[in-house]
Amino acid sequence: DIQMTQSPSSLSPSVGDRVTIACRASQGLSNSLAWYQQKPGKAPKLLLYAASRLESGVPSRFSGSGSGTDYTLTISSLQPEDFATYYCQQYYSTPYTFGQGTKLEIK
Amino acid sequence: EVQLVESEGGLVKPGGSLRLSCAASGFTFSTSTMNWVRQAPGKGLEWVSSISSNSGYINYADSVRGRFTISRDNAKNSLDLHMDSLRAEDTAVYYCARGRYYIDVWGKGTTVTVSS
Repeated sequence: DIQMTQSPSSLSPSVGDRVTIACRASQGLSNSLAWYQQKPGKAPKLLLYAASRLESGVPSRFSGSGSGTDYTLTISSLQPEDFATYYCQQYYSTPYTFGQGTKLEIK
Repeated sequence: EVQLVESEGGLVKPGGSLRLSCAASGFTFSTSTMNWVRQAPGKGLEWVSSISSNSGYINYADSVRGRFTISRDNAKNSLDLHMDSLRAEDTAVYYCARGRYYIDVWGKGTTVTVSS
């Protein structure tokens, strides 16, 4: 199975900050990577797929980049509604696996 | 509106069984790959099982293979998960989810608790 490791596990940024979350896979993914946002008590929401393609309706302050085994999610200017937990997920090979999550907490 | 609605979960004793259902609406269910994804309390997301549009391709996580069975009824726009030999570690919120590779539609989730 492909192991997905996110860093950091938690972050306490301020509104307006630029935030970067990293996701490392145990083997190359050929950009078969998605990012999700999850708020407490809610289902996850798809933000990006194919490493950098923005899902319809997702604000453009969210962006993704990377290749091979290393990928990043960037929020260009953090908004109050962005405080949540973020997960990466590889779909290069089954079983499709998720990172452990990165929680953005209000400072 | 695209929607996935899971049936109510419940409290089950270890070794017991439970069936979850998911009703789909607002999209062409019969051409969609469907999944179950779970989340244990305070933990991350775990993909559980997937089924292709015509049920020709089914896959399970190692943690549930041999105990869980996924199935679908395209005529009824419904997805099922039969869970047998339940363990404490199966306690989680179970999400019905659409997507062949990544998940673009999620249900709200249903809670399954395995405890004596």
